[in-house]
Amino acid sequence: EVQLVESGGGLVQPGGSLRLSCAASGFTISNYWMNWVRQAPGKGLEWVANIKQDGSEKHCVDSVKGRFTVSRDNAKNSLYLQMNSLRAEDTAVYYCEGGMSWGQGTLVTVSS
Amino acid sequence: QAVVTQEPSLTVSPGGTVTLTCGSSTGAVTSGHYPFWFQQKPGQGPRTLIYDTTNKHSRTPARFSGSLLGGKAALTLSGAQPEDEAEYYCLLSYSGARVFGGGTKLTVL
Repeated sequence: EVQLVESGGGLVQPGGSLRLSCAASGFTISNYWMNWVRQAPGKGLEWVANIKQDGSEKHCVDSVKGRFTVSRDNAKNSLYLQMNSLRAEDTAVYYCEGGMSWGQGTLVTVSS
Repeated sequence: QAVVTQEPSLTVSPGGTVTLTCGSSTGAVTSGHYPFWFQQKPGQGPRTLIYDTTNKHSRTPARFSGSLLGGKAALTLSGAQPEDEAEYYCLLSYSGARVFGGGTKLTVL
């Protein structure tokens, strides 16, 4: 069964950091671009960042440039998102997506 | 970054046909934007319906199809079912970066 499982979300103060992880099973992420997508409460989907199969190319939305870094470890079949200098507007459920499969999401809440 | 536009809401009768569209602020949508379509029901995560304009996920019902139509990406639902009531999002690629549309709330009524 193809599965993506996110972890690492939680409550963090403004300016703080979190590292999200996404563990894949049932398929090999090394064959796919992998994406992070977020959804603020009651809002639509927002693409956050992605990374090429071998990690040689990365892209992210302007609002997170210089703060978020996407990475992957194909040997561990895992995807990561390092989030620094977090702001209230980063509050959202964060999903990983790849190979047309989605995780269940992990909630990040930025609040004092 | 580009802005991707979708109809905010649409209504279709059970058994009817409806087409959702996805436009780009940069001009015509082409296959080079690798359009994706996703469905999201309340309280659930998204699921992939269509990738690369016309290709269906293995679990996508046959009543859904993707195309390019009048300079936009399009998702056509033929023979709507009550369970198709959901939010639908398109996603376009711009040289690697991606942008979602604002979503279309589809009501089956």
